Amino acid sequence: DQQVKQNSPSLSVQEGRISILNCDYTNSMFDYFLWYKKYPAEGPTFLISISSIKDKNEDGRFTVFLNKSAKHLSLHIVPSQPGDSAVYFCAASGEGNKLVFGAGTILRVKS
Amino acid sequence: KAGVTQTPRYLIKTRGQQVTLSCSPISGHRSVSWYQQTPGQGLQFLFEYFSETQRNKGNFPGRFSGRQFSNSRSEMNVSTLELGDSALYLCASSLGRGGIGDTQYFGPGTRLTVL
Repeated sequence: DQQVKQNSPSLSVQEGRISILNCDYTNSMFDYFLWYKKYPAEGPTFLISISSIKDKNEDGRFTVFLNKSAKHLSLHIVPSQPGDSAVYFCAASGEGNKLVFGAGTILRVKS
Repeated sequence: KAGVTQTPRYLIKTRGQQVTLSCSPISGHRSVSWYQQTPGQGLQFLFEYFSETQRNKGNFPGRFSGRQFSNSRSEMNVSTLELGDSALYLCASSLGRGGIGDTQYFGPGTRLTVL
C-alpha cells in the first residue's frame, strides 16, 4: 500500500528554468510533509517542509505547495542549477515520528 | 553544530552473522529513528527511540532490534543476517516533540553487504 507516491521517476530541466517535482498521498492523517535531496550512498538532506495548516512555504529557491483537498504537494526550484541534480524524496508523517517516503524522482539539470 | 554521525560507514558480513550499527544524534535531539533503503523497497521506517524507549515500530521481523542510551546515542542490531538485509541503513534524529515541525535530519548511512 503506497501511501506516498512520486509518479515521475525522472525529470530533466535546463539550467535556469523551473523544476517542478510532484507528490501525491492517500492518508488523510498525514499532517507534516517534507522534501529531501539525496545523492547515491549518502543520507537524505532536508530541504523544506510544510505543515497541513499551510498551503505554501518558501525558502530561497525552494517553494513547496500543498493542496490538501487533492492530497497533492509539489516542490518548485527556481532557478534550477546543475548542483540541484540529485534524487528528491517526498516524505509525510502523521502519527509520531514515522516518515513515509515516496519512491523518489531523479532530477537532472542540464547546463 | 555537528550533524548526525553513523559508524561504521561500510560493513561486509556473511549470512547467519549478526551486526550492530551505531548512531550519534545532533546535540540536543532526543529522538532517533532508523530507516532501511533498498533498490526494491525504497526507504522504509524500522523504528524510533525516544528517552531510551522504543516509541514507534515499522513492519520488520524481530531480527531487527535497537536501543537508545541515556545520552540519546542509539544502536541497531540485526541478528541472523540474510542476503536480503543488504541495504543502506540510515539514522535520523529530531527534537522528539513528534508531529508537525519535528524535522528529522539524517546521517550519512551505513552500507551493509551480506554475502
